[in-house]
Amino acid sequence: SQKIEQNSEALNIQEGKTATLTCNYTNYSPAYLQWYRQDPGRGPVFLLLIRENEKEKRKERLKVTFDTTLKQSLFHITASQPADSATYLCALHRGSTLGRLYFGRGTQLTVWP
Amino acid sequence: NAGVTQTPKFQVLKTGQSMTLQCAQDMNHEYMSWYRQDPGMGLRLIHYSVGAGITDQGEVPNGYNVSRSTTEDFPLRLLSAAPSQTSVYFCASRASMRWEDTQYFGPGTRLTVL
Repeated sequence: SQKIEQNSEALNIQEGKTATLTCNYTNYSPAYLQWYRQDPGRGPVFLLLIRENEKEKRKERLKVTFDTTLKQSLFHITASQPADSATYLCALHRGSTLGRLYFGRGTQLTVWP
Repeated sequence: NAGVTQTPKFQVLKTGQSMTLQCAQDMNHEYMSWYRQDPGMGLRLIHYSVGAGITDQGEVPNGYNVSRSTTEDFPLRLLSAAPSQTSVYFCASRASMRWEDTQYFGPGTRLTVL
């Protein structure tokens, strides 16, 4: 089965800096990789999806990269704000209509003023 | 639209009791699923449904039953609760089976089995 590792359980950065979160996977290369945000006591919220043939995807202050050679995705938040503090989950899927979405354990990001 | 709703928000059960976790969506989505989230682990798929009357097992289906009689509702049944089922349960939906469709999660049900 697929194994996903998110770089660390917690990441603390100062407001205004760029936060970089890592998602590494083993076994097969996914067709899609997704990033979610989860706040305490709430369900995950979808942020971005990147396909295996895409190197980079951007949405406002968010940027996701996908390196199938390194089997890694990087998630960047530029000009981070305290409101960005949350747990970020990566999830990947092989692309077939059947099969499932594999989730990482998440990285808890804290942005301090 | 209310999106994906779940009830109850919190529940405490004794070992051996049964209960149903409710999930509903008002977006006319075909695909619905149930996940559980445990500390130190990623979300794990319990059951999913690709449309009314069609369900299938996910990664951790044992101890849970589902049915999908309408497009809107996808309840999760615990037949005989066990302490190992203590977890936070999330229902999710997306428009179709295409993984490119945005997946929406409900607010979760926190279940404790004593």
